[in-house]
Amino acid sequence: GENVEQHPSTLSVQEGDSAVIKCTYSDSASNYFPWYKQELGKGPQLIIDIRSNVGEKKDQRIAVTLNKTAKHFSLHITETQPEDSAVYFCAALSNTGNQFYFGTGTSLTVIP
Amino acid sequence: EAQVTQNPRYLITVTGKKLTVTCSQNMNHEYMSWYRQDPGLGLRQIYYSMNVEVTDKGDVPEGYKVSRKEKRNFPLILESPSPNQTSLYFCASSLLGPSTDTQYFGPGTRLTVL
Repeated sequence: GENVEQHPSTLSVQEGDSAVIKCTYSDSASNYFPWYKQELGKGPQLIIDIRSNVGEKKDQRIAVTLNKTAKHFSLHITETQPEDSAVYFCAALSNTGNQFYFGTGTSLTVIP
Repeated sequence: EAQVTQNPRYLITVTGKKLTVTCSQNMNHEYMSWYRQDPGLGLRQIYYSMNVEVTDKGDVPEGYKVSRKEKRNFPLILESPSPNQTSLYFCASSLLGPSTDTQYFGPGTRLTVL
């Protein structure tokens, strides 16, 4: 099956700086790559996603880039704020379109 | 309010005592799924269901059962729980399927098996 690796596992940035989280995947047939934010004591929440026919997608301070050739995708958060502090997970959808594979998570801390 | 609910939120049990964690969604979603979350391992999919009476194994189905008798409910059954099933469990749902629609997660169930 698919294997998704995520780095770094922890990340601390100063408020206002940018944060980048990277994921790689193994199955070249995977075609949907969402990013989830998980706040303490809550379930993951979708923040942005990208499909394999697109190279980049932006939503205000958040962007995701996808390199299909290298099989990696990244989450970029600009102008970070303390409320961005959370655990972030990347995921890849299997080529059947029904099964998800998640990365191991990145704990982001934004220091005021 | 559109939501995915899980019960119980916290459960401590002993090895071998059958238990069921319920999951319900009020959004008329066809796709539902169960995940477990363990430190350093992220979320791993246990089972998923594309619609009523249609269920499939995810990445880590051993030791679990599910059923989908009606669209809104997708219970997770542990027939004989063991300590290695101590984990944080999440139920999720999406309208038609994860490839086309946003997946919504429940609040989680923290299970401890002694």
